Amino acid sequence: AAGVIQSPRHLIKEKRETATLKCYPIPRHDTVYWYQQGPGQDPQFLISFYEKMQSDKGSIPDRFSAQQFSDYHSELNMSSLELGDSALYFCASSSPPGDEQYFGPGTRLTVT
Amino acid sequence: TQLLEQSPQFLSIQEGENLTVYCNSSSVFSSLQWYRQEPGEGPVLLVTVVTGGEVKKLKRLTFQFGDARKDSSLHITAAQPGDTGLYLCAGSLYNQGGKLIFGQGTELSVKP
Repeated sequence: AAGVIQSPRHLIKEKRETATLKCYPIPRHDTVYWYQQGPGQDPQFLISFYEKMQSDKGSIPDRFSAQQFSDYHSELNMSSLELGDSALYFCASSSPPGDEQYFGPGTRLTVT
Repeated sequence: TQLLEQSPQFLSIQEGENLTVYCNSSSVFSSLQWYRQEPGEGPVLLVTVVTGGEVKKLKRLTFQFGDARKDSSLHITAAQPGDTGLYLCAGSLYNQGGKLIFGQGTELSVKP
C-alpha cells in the first residue's frame, strides 16, 4: 500500500538559509500534519491542514510557514534557519481529521 | 509539563520476559494510538484504541484503553529481540483537529 512520502530525506543548510520540505500524503487522505522531533525528544505538533485550509497551529515559529496544495501535498517552508532547527521533521496524513495518522519517513534537517 | 506521561522511559529485559508500558494523563482523549519508531525513521502505527475499556491484541502485544479514556497500556508477552525499539503512545484530544500529543516514549531493549 502507498505510504506517506517526504522529500528530501536529508538536508544540510547553513544558518540564516531557507529550506523547503515536501510531503505527499497517502492517496485520498485530505489531512496533513507536520511534527518536529528533536534529538531524544518526542514529536511535537507544528501545523495541520484539512482540505487545503490550515486547521490547527502548534508551536511553529513565525519563521516557518506551510501550505497544502490542490493535489493535497504539503510544503513546510523554513526561513532564517537557526542551529536549534536541526531536527527530524515528520509529515503524517489521515482521512478524515482525527482518524488514524500515518507518518512519513521524515526529513532530517541539519543546520550548521 | 507533559500532558501524556509514559513510563518507563527505558526498559531492558531478557528474551521471554513480559513487560508493560503505561501512558497516563489527567485529560480525556478521543482516541489513543501506539507507534513504534526505529532510529531516524518515522513512527509506524501499531494500533488505535477509541472506546473506553477497549482491548486490542496484535500477536504478542495487548493494548488497553482505560475506562475513563485517560490512560492506556501496552503489554508484551514473551518479548523477543525483534521487539527492541522505541514505543510511543500518542493521544488525540476532543475538538483539537486530530493533532497528536505524544508521550515521552519507552526505549525497549530485549536481550537474547
